[in-house]
Amino acid sequence: DTEVTQTPKHLVMGMTNKKSLKCEQHMGHRAMYWYKQKAKKPPELMFVYSYEKLSINESVPSRFSPECPNSSLLNLHLHALQPEDSALYLCASSPSPQGIYYEQYFGPGTRLTVT
Amino acid sequence: DAKTTQPTSMDCAEGRAANLPCNHSTISGNEYVYWYRQIHSQGPQYIIHGLKNNETNEMASLIITEDRKSSTLILPHATLRDTAVYYCIVRASTANAGGTSYGKLTFGQGTILTVHP
Repeated sequence: DTEVTQTPKHLVMGMTNKKSLKCEQHMGHRAMYWYKQKAKKPPELMFVYSYEKLSINESVPSRFSPECPNSSLLNLHLHALQPEDSALYLCASSPSPQGIYYEQYFGPGTRLTVT
Repeated sequence: DAKTTQPTSMDCAEGRAANLPCNHSTISGNEYVYWYRQIHSQGPQYIIHGLKNNETNEMASLIITEDRKSSTLILPHATLRDTAVYYCIVRASTANAGGTSYGKLTFGQGTILTVHP
């Protein structure tokens, strides 16, 4: 199984809603990532989890709250988002967070629209 | 991370080789060159990576110049399904506040490759 899955595929939420994005991998990878991609822009790193611990937060606003309940699962909790947070949210995993030798495997993304 | 420069867009005829260039003149000796692509509305897909030797896999070949200041990704027989944005990334090891190193992927603007029938 070399797949990273993400649910839901599409999400529309109001600015006062609370929602969560889910990412799962069963490749035994110990690093998981959240990226944000605005329309016609490249992906930008948000968070890195290493061995289920938050390793990197790229100065992401607190309305985005990541969680890694176990080594296969990564969540992104959303609260009080703004319309400018509408984007494609991508999850990725790699065998190890360390070193630069390992490729990252990406999921298909969740298309988020904030109204 | 070293900056990369890629053409904004390129065209290729189906069945022909697609050669995508990338300049990375400030690359350091321990930095790898990675290529990813992103087909419309999908997640990025890893293609290939290398340090200084040329590399080949089932998807593509990567040619890195001897001075490592540029590279070329070659898709030997492009198909319509190869139409995508291709990202050349120079990847260095970065440390977090706790001193743990990790390999950050910083995407540039990429090259939009359009394969025509």
